[in-house]
Amino acid sequence: QVHLVESGGGLSKPGGSLRLSCTASGFTFGDYYMSWFRQAPGKGLEWLSYISTTSSFTNYADSVKGRFTISRDNAKNLLYLQMDGLRVEDTSIYYCARARVGGSGSYIYWGQGTLVTVSS
Amino acid sequence: SYVLTQPPSVSVAPGQTASITCGGTNIEDTSVHWYQQRPGQAPVLVVYDDSDRPSGIPERFSGSNSGNTATLTISRVAAGDEADYYCQVWDSTSDHPVFGGGTRLTVL
Repeated sequence: QVHLVESGGGLSKPGGSLRLSCTASGFTFGDYYMSWFRQAPGKGLEWLSYISTTSSFTNYADSVKGRFTISRDNAKNLLYLQMDGLRVEDTSIYYCARARVGGSGSYIYWGQGTLVTVSS
Repeated sequence: SYVLTQPPSVSVAPGQTASITCGGTNIEDTSVHWYQQRPGQAPVLVVYDDSDRPSGIPERFSGSNSGNTATLTISRVAAGDEADYYCQVWDSTSDHPVFGGGTRLTVL
């Protein structure tokens, strides 16, 4: 049974940093691209970033490019999102997710989310 | 970036059929996926590749895609179907997923 569990959310001041983690289980983690998404309060879903199986390729949404960094540790089944230069508008629930197959298409497994609040 | 347009809300009586649309330029040329998100919960994939259902999703959920509009159809709607629904495609130009703005389904 596939499980994705995010952690590391919390309160940060503007300009601060947080590192989110996503612990994966129930599948061969190193065989799949992994992604981060977020959802601001009362808003829709927003893709943030994805990383290839061997970390050789990453892509970022314009809203976080240059501030957020995705990474993974296949030996530990862990996905990370380093968030620097946080802004008030980054306040959201952050989800990690795995594509159904390959590196694109639909996302069949999602974590329960972790809340990030950026406020002075 | 590719733009997907959904109606903000759809209402339907219990037992009836709900249709939620997702508009995009020549959307029929790409695969459309649909997610259900109940309040306080993570999204759940209910239809992928236009019309396929993941294991465990009832046959009441179906999808179609033609021209500039993809449609999620939910038959025999029940109170438990009340949720936000999002369509999603892969934008091959920017090489990342794109979501519609979401549709709130209300069961009257």
